[in-house]
Amino acid sequence: DGGITQSPKYLFRKEGQNVTLSCEQNLNHDAMYWYRQDPGQGLRLIYYSQIVNDFQKGDIAEGYSVSREKKESFPLTVTSAQKNPTAFYLCASSTIGGRQETQYFGPGTRLLVL
Amino acid sequence: GENVEQHPSTLSVQEGDSAVIKCTYSDSASNYFPWYKQELGKRPQLIIDIRSNVGEKKDQRIAVTLNKTAKHFSLHITETQPEDSAVYFCAGSTGRRALTFGSGTRLQVQP
Repeated sequence: DGGITQSPKYLFRKEGQNVTLSCEQNLNHDAMYWYRQDPGQGLRLIYYSQIVNDFQKGDIAEGYSVSREKKESFPLTVTSAQKNPTAFYLCASSTIGGRQETQYFGPGTRLLVL
Repeated sequence: GENVEQHPSTLSVQEGDSAVIKCTYSDSASNYFPWYKQELGKRPQLIIDIRSNVGEKKDQRIAVTLNKTAKHFSLHITETQPEDSAVYFCAGSTGRRALTFGSGTRLQVQP
């Protein structure tokens, strides 16, 4: 999982502002994922992508947007429509090939609202 | 979609004792069940996984069992050590979308 990087480690958002979280992987994985983790809670799926230029909504996609222009990159934008964005955001990647393969996580970005 | 229930939410054991965490899933098509360990402020790390064609898998002090008929799977940690203290998450997947995670179990190993 050392091949997945996320930046920044901490991010502060002002009200009404859009912010973008970066996720890059050099594992040659086809699939990438974004999860949100609230304090003391599990991981909830925001978006995932199994191929370049295609992505699917997860369970809590409202207020978020993504793009997948390159295999290595899957940035997440937290828009002003997301009213409660304070959370720990985790990116993950995996291979695909007919069955679920192991997901490896990045170190996470902690988003705080000013 | 898939729903994964995990219990207990907290578990405290004495060092050297065993710990068991249980999960149930709803989608009978699920075929992959990983377990992750997350230390405070860190990323989840895979510790063991099992696929639906296997009933049990062991890796040193850690084992996972799967009962497809009952749709539940369990994590067993033997000879617990203080460094086992963390939050453990189970997850399930049908292979057609991302993992669905349980809500986590906070394991505290008392020295």
